[in-house]
Amino acid sequence: AQTVTQSQPEMSVQEAETVTLSCTYDTSESDYYLFWYKQPPSRQMILVIRQEAYKQQNATENRFSVNFQKAAKSFSLKISDSQLGDAAMYFCAYRRGGGATNKLIFGTGTLLAVQP
Amino acid sequence: DAGVIQSPRHEVTEMGQEVTLRCKPISGHDYLFWYRQTMMRGLELLIYFNNNVPIDDSGMPEDRFSAKMPNASFSTLKIQPSEPRDSAVYFCASRPGTDPLSEQFFGPGTRLTVL
Repeated sequence: AQTVTQSQPEMSVQEAETVTLSCTYDTSESDYYLFWYKQPPSRQMILVIRQEAYKQQNATENRFSVNFQKAAKSFSLKISDSQLGDAAMYFCAYRRGGGATNKLIFGTGTLLAVQP
Repeated sequence: DAGVIQSPRHEVTEMGQEVTLRCKPISGHDYLFWYRQTMMRGLELLIYFNNNVPIDDSGMPEDRFSAKMPNASFSTLKIQPSEPRDSAVYFCASRPGTDPLSEQFFGPGTRLTVL
């Protein structure tokens, strides 16, 4: 079974600095998709960034980028120029490809605090 | 678009009572998902529907839980009878089509407390 591990329950970063959140996953599949979701105190789950496993190029969305290391099964999220609004719980998620399933498997989350 | 709508936002009930959570997905979305979030277990997928048909309910914890989708614009998750360990935030999400990269849009969640 596929699993997603986020080994950092909490992280802290100074405003305007850069922070990296870790995520590893375990799968025997070669076709899959990876996501980072943000959950602020409002509880709303918001998609931050997504990556197809077959793409070698790391995805980027403005201040958010990923470091996707397929061989190491690692999918870390880098937040540059951190802002107070980035404070939230961040979840890494995995979905098998090939249309076989629509299940998102989530990690346990990393709570990010942004210090002014 | 109003996004995924869930009601109620908060529900407090007593053990043994029936609880019904409601969800209206985004219009045109083919898939609907029910998740449960707890501190102990994180985010778990309970069940999902495709075109109103339940596809995978392997995450439903036990027979006390049931979910229906009578039409494309409405789904319910029912717990009968409720127990204190059912206390959690329940999310509904929907997404369009078969593109595996398409985003799942989450509702604001229903915080359920069973006393």
